[in-house]
Amino acid sequence: AQSVTQPDIHITVSEGASLELRCNYSYGATPYLFWYVQSPGQGLQLLLKYFSGDTLVQGIKGFEAEFKRSQSSFNLRKPSVHWSDAAEYFCAVGSNFGNEKLTFGTGTRLTIIP
Amino acid sequence: ETGVTQSPTHLIKTRGQQVTLRCSSQSGHNTVSWYQQALGQGPQFIFQYYREEENGRGNFPPRFSGLQFPNYSSELNVNALELDDSALYLCASSFRPTALSSYNEQFFGPGTRLTVL
Repeated sequence: AQSVTQPDIHITVSEGASLELRCNYSYGATPYLFWYVQSPGQGLQLLLKYFSGDTLVQGIKGFEAEFKRSQSSFNLRKPSVHWSDAAEYFCAVGSNFGNEKLTFGTGTRLTIIP
Repeated sequence: ETGVTQSPTHLIKTRGQQVTLRCSSQSGHNTVSWYQQALGQGPQFIFQYYREEENGRGNFPPRFSGLQFPNYSSELNVNALELDDSALYLCASSFRPTALSSYNEQFFGPGTRLTVL
């Protein structure tokens, strides 16, 4: 069964500092991997996705993520965070067996301090 | 292009009641998935509908049921509500060219917040 672990429940970062959010997955085949962001009371917005090819993927809002098969990881990074990046971030793995079922991690809440 | 919309935005019910949540998929999409997001948790897959047929189901009891209509909009029905059903219910739509096509990106609606008292 597929699963996702986000080991950091809450991270606090100063505005302008770099950011890395960790994600580890478990999946039997080549995974489809995603990062979503959720602001309070809102739905999910896709930041970036990995299906195949280049293991470093670029997303919206200056985010990037690197797929490392040997470590079963798909960590999200941003070189310089902005106050507007404060939100909940979810890593997810997608099924490639006949439907678009997504399995999400429990999320990492990002707080930005001035 | 209209995105995924959900109604109502908020809903309050009591234990034992039944509820129906609605989702309009993005224009051109033929697949709808429903997720339950409890407070402080990640979303959990309830089920997916593709061309009006259920196409995969998560670990939810039968009192969670759904429908997809010919226009690809969808309903989520929950019978005999329990306190633990309180959550944000998210709908996501995608376009699946064929039943055997590989993963297709999903687009999420804003959700319906259900509170069960």
